[in-house]
Amino acid sequence: DAGVIQSPRHEVTEMGQEVTLRCKPISGHDYLFWYRQTMMRGLELLIYFNNNVPIDDSGMPEDRFSAKMPNASFSTLKIQPSEPRDSAVYFCASRQSGTGDNSPLHFGNGTRLTVT
Amino acid sequence: AQSVTQLGSHVSVSEGALVLLRCNYSSSVPPYLFWYVQYPNQGLQLLLKYTSAATLVKGINGFEAEFKKSETSFHLTKPSAHMSDAAEYFCAVGRGGGYNKLIFGAGTRLAVHP
Repeated sequence: DAGVIQSPRHEVTEMGQEVTLRCKPISGHDYLFWYRQTMMRGLELLIYFNNNVPIDDSGMPEDRFSAKMPNASFSTLKIQPSEPRDSAVYFCASRQSGTGDNSPLHFGNGTRLTVT
Repeated sequence: AQSVTQLGSHVSVSEGALVLLRCNYSSSVPPYLFWYVQYPNQGLQLLLKYTSAATLVKGINGFEAEFKKSETSFHLTKPSAHMSDAAEYFCAVGRGGGYNKLIFGAGTRLAVHP
């Protein structure tokens, strides 16, 4: 399996611009997660989906952030408008429900976002 | 509420020496506990997990961790460090005893010297 695929790997944008991060989960996984990693706050869960439906978005910082999952193989995290404090590494992760070997989170390699 | 504390943001060992990375948790329910490793410019990879079965959990790359309820600890060990073990290690607890809302510790960066 190719694992969780994220694009782009790096994104540099100017303050006020719209940013869209993309994620393809592992085939067969029914949960998808978006995390943000910063030096100051560590790893934070932003939102997660189950069967394409958002279950918990309590970690989304503010209305500038939105996430969608139109189908089982694709999700986006959008920031509009972006601000310098949004600079971070954004990780997508997926898992399969249950307690088997595929149940823990499998992470993508992340998107490093820099907002200038 | 669940929380995780990793003692020591940086740990340095010599190649061949024992690796000990400390993790203490707080949980009001039987916890699910995890150790993840992150290599530079990569995502997190699961090392091992504890889900209320055996208290001594063996993971990949020769790592293991022991769940000690009385000490609320889940320390990660490896008998003999290898240069390739240099990375950042994260302990995590499943909020509500599950896999979904993981709370991660701040991480411990392991350096291995020749």
